[in-house]
Amino acid sequence: EDQVTQSPEALRLQEGESSSLNCSYTVSGLRGLFWYRQDPGKGPEFLFTLYSAGEEKEKERLKATLTKKESFLHITAPKPEDSATYLCAVWGGATNKLIFGTGTLLAVQP
Amino acid sequence: DAGVIQSPRHEVTEMGQEVTLRCKPISGHDYLFWYRQTMMRGLELLIYFNNNVPIDDSGMPEDRFSAKMPNASFSTLKIQPSEPRDSAVYFCASSFGGGKNEQYFGPGTRLTVT
Repeated sequence: EDQVTQSPEALRLQEGESSSLNCSYTVSGLRGLFWYRQDPGKGPEFLFTLYSAGEEKEKERLKATLTKKESFLHITAPKPEDSATYLCAVWGGATNKLIFGTGTLLAVQP
Repeated sequence: DAGVIQSPRHEVTEMGQEVTLRCKPISGHDYLFWYRQTMMRGLELLIYFNNNVPIDDSGMPEDRFSAKMPNASFSTLKIQPSEPRDSAVYFCASSFGGGKNEQYFGPGTRLTVT
Protein backbone atom coordinates (compact mmCIF):
# COMPACT_ATOMS: atom_id res chain seq x y z
CA GLU A 1 0.00 0.00 0.00
CA ASP A 2 1.26 3.47 -0.90
CA GLN A 3 2.32 5.41 2.16
CA VAL A 4 3.79 8.81 3.01
CA THR A 5 5.37 9.67 6.36
CA GLN A 6 6.46 13.17 7.30
CA SER A 7 8.76 14.16 10.13
CA PRO A 8 8.93 15.90 12.44
CA GLU A 9 5.23 16.44 13.19
CA ALA A 10 6.04 19.91 14.48
CA LEU A 11 9.12 22.12 14.34
CA ARG A 12 9.83 25.39 16.07
CA LEU A 13 12.67 27.54 14.70
CA GLN A 14 14.12 30.91 15.47
CA GLU A 15 14.15 33.39 12.62
CA GLY A 16 17.25 32.71 10.54
CA GLU A 17 17.73 29.17 11.88
CA SER A 18 17.89 26.84 8.85
CA SER A 19 16.46 23.31 8.98
CA SER A 20 14.96 20.51 6.91
CA LEU A 21 11.64 18.69 6.79
CA ASN A 22 11.52 15.04 5.78
CA CYS A 23 9.05 13.10 3.65
CA SER A 24 9.64 9.36 3.30
CA TYR A 25 7.47 7.31 0.98
CA THR A 26 6.67 3.85 -0.27
CA VAL A 27 4.86 3.78 -3.59
CA SER A 28 4.72 1.41 -6.51
CA GLY A 29 6.34 3.35 -9.29
CA LEU A 30 6.78 6.96 -8.17
CA ARG A 31 5.69 9.33 -10.90
CA GLY A 32 5.87 12.56 -8.95
CA LEU A 33 6.30 14.00 -5.47
CA PHE A 34 4.55 17.23 -4.53
CA TRP A 35 5.10 19.76 -1.75
CA TYR A 36 2.27 22.02 -0.58
CA ARG A 37 2.03 24.75 2.02
CA GLN A 38 -1.14 25.13 4.09
CA ASP A 39 -1.95 28.19 6.18
CA PRO A 40 -4.57 27.98 8.96
CA GLY A 41 -8.11 28.09 7.61
CA LYS A 42 -7.01 27.81 3.99
CA GLY A 43 -6.56 25.14 1.37
CA PRO A 44 -3.14 23.73 0.49
CA GLU A 45 -1.08 25.84 -1.89
CA PHE A 46 1.24 24.21 -4.40
CA LEU A 47 5.01 24.69 -3.97
CA PHE A 48 6.99 22.11 -5.99
CA THR A 49 6.82 18.95 -8.05
CA LEU A 50 9.80 16.57 -8.28
CA TYR A 51 9.73 13.77 -10.82
CA SER A 52 12.97 11.82 -10.47
CA ALA A 53 15.69 11.03 -7.94
CA GLY A 54 18.38 13.68 -7.87
CA GLU A 55 16.06 16.47 -8.93
CA GLU A 56 16.09 19.72 -6.96
CA LYS A 57 13.85 22.79 -7.09
CA GLU A 58 14.11 26.13 -5.34
CA LYS A 59 11.76 28.97 -4.51
CA GLU A 60 12.93 31.84 -2.35
CA ARG A 61 14.08 30.30 0.96
CA LEU A 62 12.82 26.82 0.12
CA LYS A 63 14.62 24.02 -1.69
CA ALA A 64 13.14 20.58 -2.32
CA THR A 65 15.23 17.49 -3.09
CA LEU A 66 14.31 13.93 -3.98
CA THR A 67 15.93 10.52 -3.54
CA LYS A 68 14.51 7.07 -4.27
CA LYS A 69 13.08 6.80 -0.75
CA GLU A 70 12.54 10.31 0.55
CA SER A 71 12.32 14.01 -0.10
CA PHE A 72 13.59 16.92 1.92
CA LEU A 73 12.31 20.45 2.11
CA HIS A 74 15.19 22.65 3.17
CA ILE A 75 14.36 26.03 4.66
CA THR A 76 17.23 28.53 4.66
CA ALA A 77 17.15 31.50 7.03
CA PRO A 78 13.40 31.22 7.65
CA LYS A 79 11.20 34.19 8.45
CA PRO A 80 8.00 34.27 10.55
CA GLU A 81 5.93 34.35 7.36
CA ASP A 82 7.23 30.86 6.54
CA SER A 83 5.18 29.52 9.45
CA ALA A 84 2.64 27.05 8.06
CA THR A 85 1.95 23.35 7.70
CA TYR A 86 3.98 21.75 4.92
CA LEU A 87 2.40 18.76 3.20
CA CYS A 88 4.07 16.16 1.04
CA ALA A 89 2.14 14.02 -1.47
CA VAL A 90 3.09 11.25 -3.87
CA TRP A 91 1.66 10.27 -7.23
CA GLY A 92 2.35 6.75 -8.36
CA GLY A 93 1.05 3.71 -10.16
CA ALA A 94 -1.59 3.93 -12.83
CA THR A 95 -3.91 6.40 -11.16
CA ASN A 96 -4.18 10.17 -10.95
CA LYS A 97 -4.50 10.14 -7.16
CA LEU A 98 -2.25 11.91 -4.69
CA ILE A 99 -1.47 10.29 -1.35
CA PHE A 100 -0.76 12.95 1.28
CA GLY A 101 1.31 12.80 4.42
CA THR A 102 -0.03 14.30 7.63
CA GLY A 103 2.26 17.30 7.39
CA THR A 104 4.86 19.18 9.42
CA LEU A 105 3.67 22.19 11.38
CA LEU A 106 6.44 24.80 11.20
CA ALA A 107 6.54 27.78 13.55
CA VAL A 108 9.23 30.45 13.02
CA GLN A 109 9.65 32.83 15.89
CA PRO A 110 11.04 36.36 15.43
CA ASP B 1 -9.23 33.64 -12.37
CA ALA B 2 -11.05 33.46 -9.03
CA GLY B 3 -9.61 30.06 -8.20
CA VAL B 4 -11.61 27.12 -6.92
CA ILE B 5 -14.79 28.27 -5.22
CA GLN B 6 -16.51 26.31 -2.46
CA SER B 7 -19.72 26.94 -0.60
CA PRO B 8 -20.71 27.14 2.12
CA ARG B 9 -17.53 27.96 4.02
CA HIS B 10 -19.03 26.75 7.28
CA GLU B 11 -21.90 24.35 7.89
CA VAL B 12 -23.33 23.32 11.22
CA THR B 13 -26.04 20.70 11.17
CA GLU B 14 -27.69 18.13 13.37
CA MET B 15 -27.13 14.42 13.10
CA GLY B 16 -29.42 12.85 10.54
CA GLN B 17 -29.73 15.91 8.34
CA GLU B 18 -28.70 16.05 4.70
CA VAL B 19 -25.65 18.16 3.87
CA THR B 20 -24.68 19.38 0.40
CA LEU B 21 -21.28 20.90 -0.31
CA ARG B 22 -20.65 22.74 -3.56
CA CYS B 23 -17.61 23.36 -5.73
CA LYS B 24 -16.81 25.40 -8.83
CA PRO B 25 -13.46 24.35 -10.33
CA ILE B 26 -11.07 26.56 -12.26
CA SER B 27 -12.25 27.07 -15.80
CA GLY B 28 -10.48 24.77 -18.25
CA HIS B 29 -9.44 22.19 -15.68
CA ASP B 30 -10.48 18.65 -16.55
CA TYR B 31 -9.93 16.96 -13.17
CA LEU B 32 -11.84 17.58 -9.97
CA PHE B 33 -11.01 16.07 -6.58
CA TRP B 34 -12.90 15.96 -3.27
CA TYR B 35 -10.84 15.59 -0.07
CA ARG B 36 -11.59 15.40 3.62
CA GLN B 37 -9.13 16.69 6.24
CA THR B 38 -9.11 15.78 9.92
CA MET B 39 -6.47 16.05 12.61
CA MET B 40 -6.34 12.28 13.02
CA ARG B 41 -6.22 11.17 9.39
CA GLY B 42 -4.88 14.20 7.54
CA LEU B 43 -5.96 14.87 3.96
CA GLU B 44 -7.82 11.94 2.38
CA LEU B 45 -9.03 11.69 -1.19
CA LEU B 46 -12.73 10.81 -1.36
CA ILE B 47 -13.43 10.79 -5.09
CA TYR B 48 -12.15 12.30 -8.32
CA PHE B 49 -13.66 13.10 -11.70
CA ASN B 50 -12.16 13.41 -15.16
CA ASN B 51 -14.20 15.34 -17.72
CA ASN B 52 -17.21 15.16 -15.37
CA VAL B 53 -17.04 11.35 -15.09
CA PRO B 54 -16.31 9.75 -11.68
CA ILE B 55 -13.10 7.75 -12.01
CA ASP B 56 -12.26 6.55 -8.51
CA ASP B 57 -14.63 6.68 -5.54
CA SER B 58 -12.76 4.15 -3.41
CA GLY B 59 -12.17 6.79 -0.74
CA MET B 60 -15.86 7.48 -0.14
CA PRO B 61 -16.45 6.25 3.41
CA GLU B 62 -19.83 4.64 2.90
CA ASP B 63 -23.09 4.83 1.03
CA ARG B 64 -24.12 7.93 2.96
CA PHE B 65 -21.69 9.88 0.78
CA SER B 66 -22.36 10.68 -2.87
CA ALA B 67 -20.83 13.08 -5.38
CA LYS B 68 -21.94 14.39 -8.73
CA MET B 69 -20.50 16.56 -11.46
CA PRO B 70 -23.33 17.53 -13.82
CA ASN B 71 -21.12 19.84 -15.88
CA ALA B 72 -17.55 21.10 -16.12
CA SER B 73 -18.15 24.04 -13.80
CA PHE B 74 -20.01 22.48 -10.89
CA SER B 75 -19.77 19.56 -8.48
CA THR B 76 -21.55 18.56 -5.28
CA LEU B 77 -20.70 16.28 -2.38
CA LYS B 78 -23.73 15.10 -0.45
CA ILE B 79 -23.91 13.39 2.93
CA GLN B 80 -27.25 11.82 3.85
CA PRO B 81 -27.80 11.19 6.70
CA SER B 82 -24.96 13.07 8.41
CA GLU B 83 -23.25 11.77 11.55
CA PRO B 84 -20.96 13.48 14.10
CA ARG B 85 -17.95 11.52 12.78
CA ASP B 86 -18.39 13.31 9.44
CA SER B 87 -17.23 16.54 11.08
CA ALA B 88 -14.15 17.68 9.15
CA VAL B 89 -12.94 20.21 6.59
CA TYR B 90 -13.89 19.22 3.06
CA PHE B 91 -11.75 20.50 0.20
CA CYS B 92 -12.38 20.57 -3.50
CA ALA B 93 -9.41 20.78 -5.87
CA SER B 94 -9.01 20.94 -9.62
CA SER B 95 -6.18 20.37 -12.07
CA PHE B 96 -5.44 20.17 -15.75
CA GLY B 97 -4.05 16.92 -17.09
CA GLY B 98 -4.31 14.74 -14.01
CA GLY B 99 -1.65 13.44 -11.65
CA LYS B 100 1.38 15.02 -13.25
CA ASN B 101 0.18 18.55 -12.68
CA GLU B 102 -0.44 20.49 -9.52
CA GLN B 103 -3.86 20.61 -7.95
CA TYR B 104 -5.43 23.92 -6.97
CA PHE B 105 -7.42 23.77 -3.77
CA GLY B 106 -10.45 25.73 -2.71
CA PRO B 107 -10.75 27.34 0.73
CA GLY B 108 -12.67 24.37 2.13
CA THR B 109 -15.97 23.83 3.92
CA ARG B 110 -15.79 23.27 7.66
CA LEU B 111 -18.58 20.85 8.54
CA THR B 112 -19.74 20.34 12.11
CA VAL B 113 -22.37 17.69 12.80
CA THR B 114 -23.85 17.83 16.31
